[in-house]
Amino acid sequence: ETGVTQTPRHLVMGMTNKKSLKCEQHLGHNAMYWYKQSAKKPLELMFVYNFKEQTENNSVPSRFSPECPNSSHLFLHLHTLQPEDSALYLCASSQVTGNSNQPQHFGDGTRLSIL
Amino acid sequence: EDQVTQSPEALRLQEGESSSLNCSYTVSGLRGLFWYRQDPGKGPEFLFTLYSAGEEKEKERLKATLTKKESFLHITAPKPEDSATYLCAVQSNYQLIWGAGTKLIIKP
Repeated sequence: ETGVTQTPRHLVMGMTNKKSLKCEQHLGHNAMYWYKQSAKKPLELMFVYNFKEQTENNSVPSRFSPECPNSSHLFLHLHTLQPEDSALYLCASSQVTGNSNQPQHFGDGTRLSIL
Repeated sequence: EDQVTQSPEALRLQEGESSSLNCSYTVSGLRGLFWYRQDPGKGPEFLFTLYSAGEEKEKERLKATLTKKESFLHITAPKPEDSATYLCAVQSNYQLIWGAGTKLIIKP
């Protein structure tokens, strides 16, 4: 049990489908993150939320739309994805306080396959 | 340009054969270096944080060290259950930068 729960664990969708990934953290953290992980590549940061406010969007295509209704929940809405979007999508959370650099804690990810 | 490089890409060891994984970095202002372990089908699991050159952290068979240019993850007398991908990430003044990882395989 990592304290960060992601659902679903696996998702297969067509390019015209709409789906959402869900993340919930039980650690009392105030920041949440979405990452994309592809084979043999470094983790790619997609979105960052601090205190429910989006603070980073690393040039992510608009077919990915994040939502953070509160500090414990994070969603990633998917629409008209491309085959190259197939990857493991990881959610993480951390406690951000001033200049303190606390480690991020990850969920087990959603394995996304685009047909 | 800020960069993190991990080597080797993959490492196969016999059980009990000690070795080290490397994470070299060039960043503008090091604010922390993190080591994670990732098992297949799982998310990264936090292992250590190092903040300044000369610092060392230990956990069971793992020991992480830090210099001004690189960090080593030493594994002593590894067991098959230590097989995993080990990830390094560096916090600069501006962002967290990840390496591509080292896949460690320990054969019985």
